[in-house]
Amino acid sequence: QQQVKQSPQSLIVQKGGISIINCAYENTAFDYFPWYQQFPGKGPALLIAIRPDVSEKKEGRFTISFNKSAKQFSLHIMDSQPGDSATYFCAANWAGGGADGLTFGKGTHLIIQP
Amino acid sequence: NAGVTQTPKFQVLKTGQSMTLQCAQDMNHEYMSWYRQDPGMGLRLIHYSVGAGITDQGEVPNGYNVSRSTTEDFPLRLLSAAPSQTSVYFCASSYGGIGSYEQYFGPGTRLTVT
Repeated sequence: QQQVKQSPQSLIVQKGGISIINCAYENTAFDYFPWYQQFPGKGPALLIAIRPDVSEKKEGRFTISFNKSAKQFSLHIMDSQPGDSATYFCAANWAGGGADGLTFGKGTHLIIQP
Repeated sequence: NAGVTQTPKFQVLKTGQSMTLQCAQDMNHEYMSWYRQDPGMGLRLIHYSVGAGITDQGEVPNGYNVSRSTTEDFPLRLLSAAPSQTSVYFCASSYGGIGSYEQYFGPGTRLTVT
């Protein structure tokens, strides 16, 4: 059972454009939604995270939009740069899920064309 | 701080062989975990530990063993390697619960079983 569905699987965006990656979840008990960024040959690293008490969180060019009623959240990358080319994973967790409560989406391979 | 380190970076095994993937962290994190990453599958939790002497199973534990004798180290043992265990393995650590706190990932071990 896939608890977090991520789309698209791959995405190509022109330099300077906006990259948008979407995730949807089913478990309404989820209360923490991080995004991880992974460059080839490296481990994932936390990019930005949000909790459901806010609808948006912005850090530099990266923004998470959160829609609690629709059970959806998305990552927006403004002014996308070739250095943003990476695989992005959304994830979700609920406090009652214990130490193993984090569930990852299947990832989006993002390519920014110069 | 070295963060989370993993050895080896690459490994080729024959079916039936056993080996241990090493993981160490120098951040004094209580929580450590092992994930495997396969194309199109995202990150799947194999085993995790909430402290020295305490381990538990994740989503895909079959064929793997773990132990945690110290806070710093969390080795993953493959008992009898199978081609289905060909994957990239990541170790991660976090200050608090796996879901609600930033996870710090190691650089990964790429394992091929022939």
